[in-house]
Amino acid sequence: GQSLEQPSEVTAVEGAIVQINCTYQTSGFYGLSWYQQHDGGAPTFLSYNALDGLEETGRFSSFLSRSDSYGYLLLQELQMKDSASYFCAVIANSGNTPLVFGKGTRLSVIA
Amino acid sequence: DAGITQSPRYKITETGRQVTLMCHQTWSHSYMFWYRQDLGHGLRLIYYSAAADITDKGEVPDGYVVSRSKTENFPLTLESATRSQTSVYFCASSEGGGIYNEQFFGPGTRLTVL
Repeated sequence: GQSLEQPSEVTAVEGAIVQINCTYQTSGFYGLSWYQQHDGGAPTFLSYNALDGLEETGRFSSFLSRSDSYGYLLLQELQMKDSASYFCAVIANSGNTPLVFGKGTRLSVIA
Repeated sequence: DAGITQSPRYKITETGRQVTLMCHQTWSHSYMFWYRQDLGHGLRLIYYSAAADITDKGEVPDGYVVSRSKTENFPLTLESATRSQTSVYFCASSEGGGIYNEQFFGPGTRLTVL
């Protein structure tokens, strides 16, 4: 089976940088994705990593280390609107099996 | 309207009743998914479909039935609702399977079973 671990809550100051970690245990591994969900809203896709290294998209970056079964989402220049839940998700077993989501990290950005 | 829609957005029902949640997407995506979201559990996959007439179980399929006779529709039926099925249900679609394929989520249906 698959399991993912991420912190349940993180608090950070507006303008700062925050890192949300995700460790996973899977039988086979094809990649790690990140989704954002605001309260009362639907999850929306942020990024994916299939290979080791850092992927940057504007203020958000995502990192993967396959050897460490570890990834993180980095949010820079935090804004109040970044307050949301962030989910990591993996695809394992074979390339076309569905995503398995972590339980999510609730990020609170404070002034 | 383009995109992925769910109906109803809110539903209150009683234990033992049958309930069907609807999901419709306009992109002709091959894959469609049903998730439930509960506090402390994140998103858990109920069923998914790789194409019309092809469905498969996810992590928590018990008590649910799906069908996919048309590519654009993927209804989820609770045959005999129980209080434990009170949850927020999200439908999603993607062009293909795999990590490279972004999943697009509908707005969700908040279901309460009394």
